[in-house]
Amino acid sequence: QQQVKQSPQSLIVQKGGISIINCAYENTAFDYFPWYQQFPGKGPALLIAIRPDVSEKKEGRFTISFNKSAKQFSLHIMDSQPGDSATYFCAASIEETSGSRLTFGEGTQLTVNP
Amino acid sequence: GAGVSQSPRYKVAKRGQDVALRCDPISGHVSLFWYQQALGQGPEFLTYFQNEAQLDKSGLPSDRFFAERPEGSVSTLKIQRTQQEDSAVYLCASSPHRYEQFFGPGTRLTVL
Repeated sequence: QQQVKQSPQSLIVQKGGISIINCAYENTAFDYFPWYQQFPGKGPALLIAIRPDVSEKKEGRFTISFNKSAKQFSLHIMDSQPGDSATYFCAASIEETSGSRLTFGEGTQLTVNP
Repeated sequence: GAGVSQSPRYKVAKRGQDVALRCDPISGHVSLFWYQQALGQGPEFLTYFQNEAQLDKSGLPSDRFFAERPEGSVSTLKIQRTQQEDSAVYLCASSPHRYEQFFGPGTRLTVL
């Protein structure tokens, strides 16, 4: 059972554009929602994370929007750059459950054209 | 500073062989996780340690998979009698507290 669904599977954006990746979750017990960035041959690296008591969090060019009632959250990358080309994963976890083990989405391969 | 390291980075095994994958977490991190990442997929949870105690092994796909962390630092994931479906990247992550996890580069296992 896929508890976190991510879309789109792939995304192509022009340099300077906005990249938007969406995720939906099923388990309302989830209380931590991070986004990870993964380059080929590397492990995932934490980009930004949000808890359900806020609707938006911004760090530099990266923003998470969170809609608790719809059980959805999204990542917005402003002024996208070729160096942002990578695979992005949303994830979710529950505090105090197995050390907050992460449940990941399927991933979005982002390509930013120069 | 040193991050999470994993060795070997690449492992090729013949079907039926046993393999051992090593994870060196960030010093002082209490929590350690193993994930399996199939090609083109997101990582999937395998097992979790808090110090030397294995508190959750519900994600291990079969009894051929075994993990240990005897002294609460380095961890080893062992796969016995490898099968082709075991081919994947095995990721280790460590965490100093409940949420943020730091991932290693992974070990890519190919079973022929």
